Amino acid sequence: EAQVTQNPRYLITVTGKKLTVTCSQNMNHEYMSWYRQDPGLGLRQIYYSMNVEVTDKGDVPEGYKVSRKEKRNFPLILESPSPNQTSLYFCASSLLGQNLEKLFFGSGTQLSVL
Amino acid sequence: SQQGEEDPQALSIQEGENATMNCSYKTSINNLQWYRQNSGRGLVHLILIRSNEREKHSGRLRVTLDTSKKSSSLLITASRAADTASYFCASGGSNYKLTFGKGTLLTVNP
Repeated sequence: EAQVTQNPRYLITVTGKKLTVTCSQNMNHEYMSWYRQDPGLGLRQIYYSMNVEVTDKGDVPEGYKVSRKEKRNFPLILESPSPNQTSLYFCASSLLGQNLEKLFFGSGTQLSVL
Repeated sequence: SQQGEEDPQALSIQEGENATMNCSYKTSINNLQWYRQNSGRGLVHLILIRSNEREKHSGRLRVTLDTSKKSSSLLITASRAADTASYFCASGGSNYKLTFGKGTLLTVNP
């Protein structure tokens, strides 16, 4: 089954404790992206990648890191989480094709930073 | 910056009625997409309309695009309780970037 798999689904951590949210897709998509969703603000893009070893900042990259060492994986790293990074996070992937005509989303990771 | 802005923010209707949601965007686009999100879960792609198209249908969904007004609308006909969800538009530009709006929360009452 074609899917984007995110883990964990829920995560509670404390300020400053490094964490990684994993994302994997099985559709051989070139494009992968991370979004955060906050009430009243919609989805905002954190980072995206157009292929292996190619990553770029989205609209809200501060406090986050990503890597794309393999085509299928695109982990999101919070080196020193802060409470303002409490949010619902989504990974998404797509064929590059003609301007990202269809994004496939993971089920989300609800992160709470205390 | 956010391009797509949905209107209304929330909509409550009875089963069987039609639901119309609107989206405005600010800059030129190659396509406009609509997604659905059930209660905090991942978004699911519903339908895409390209900038050279004016109307598109898929099952009970009808989407229109007016590039002169930089706006789109999504119509769900004969709504069902299972259509209760948040609906987002996403505008696709020429730089491999999709910009999402803040969404419309649709509640369909049985």
